Amino acid sequence: ETGVTQSPTHLIKTRGQQVTLRCSSQSGHNTVSWYQQALGQGPQFIFQYYREEENGRGNFPPRFSGLQFPNYSSELNVNALELDDSALYLCASSLGRQGYEQYFGPGTRLTVT
Amino acid sequence: AQSVTQLDSHVSVSEGTPVLLRCNYSSSYSPSLFWYVQHPNKGLQLLLKYTSAATLVKGINGFEAEFKKSETSFHLTKPSAHMSDAAEYFCVVHIGGATNKLIFGTGTLLAVQP
Repeated sequence: ETGVTQSPTHLIKTRGQQVTLRCSSQSGHNTVSWYQQALGQGPQFIFQYYREEENGRGNFPPRFSGLQFPNYSSELNVNALELDDSALYLCASSLGRQGYEQYFGPGTRLTVT
Repeated sequence: AQSVTQLDSHVSVSEGTPVLLRCNYSSSYSPSLFWYVQHPNKGLQLLLKYTSAATLVKGINGFEAEFKKSETSFHLTKPSAHMSDAAEYFCVVHIGGATNKLIFGTGTLLAVQP
């Protein structure tokens, strides 16, 4: 059984640029959730995808967008990067529309300068 | 609205002594509660979960938690701390319905002294 993987591990971008982060879900899981964890804080829910459709969204602006592919892998896109977007971005996979047992990947550390 | 409050931002114990990390929850109905652990520069690992079955929940690495409805608490305990337990611990509540998501507490940093 393959766990949740994320790429890249680290990324440095300049303010105003765009970034794409990738996540492969655990084998057998069809739901992917994305979280933002700023330094010293708990993760904050960005959005969730279930079978390629958005299944809930947190309090993040529209410049945060996502996709889920037929193989249930997912992308998080952030446009017009701001300094406050610097954080650890975590992807979690689970089973089903209401699956509460979520398994997390190691995260992507994004630094915006 | 559902939420969790972790009562201590930092806890320091000596190796071999008990660990207690405190969490209170707020929910209008029976919640699903979790504890996750995050080691430095690592992702989150599920320690244990409560989903309205047994109120005493056993997890990995000797950790357990007790759901107490009368006290709205879900404290994490371990009888004897190990150096490898040093990490950040998050108490988490699941919110279902239209928005299926996890709400994290602010975290408790556990230090284990030799």
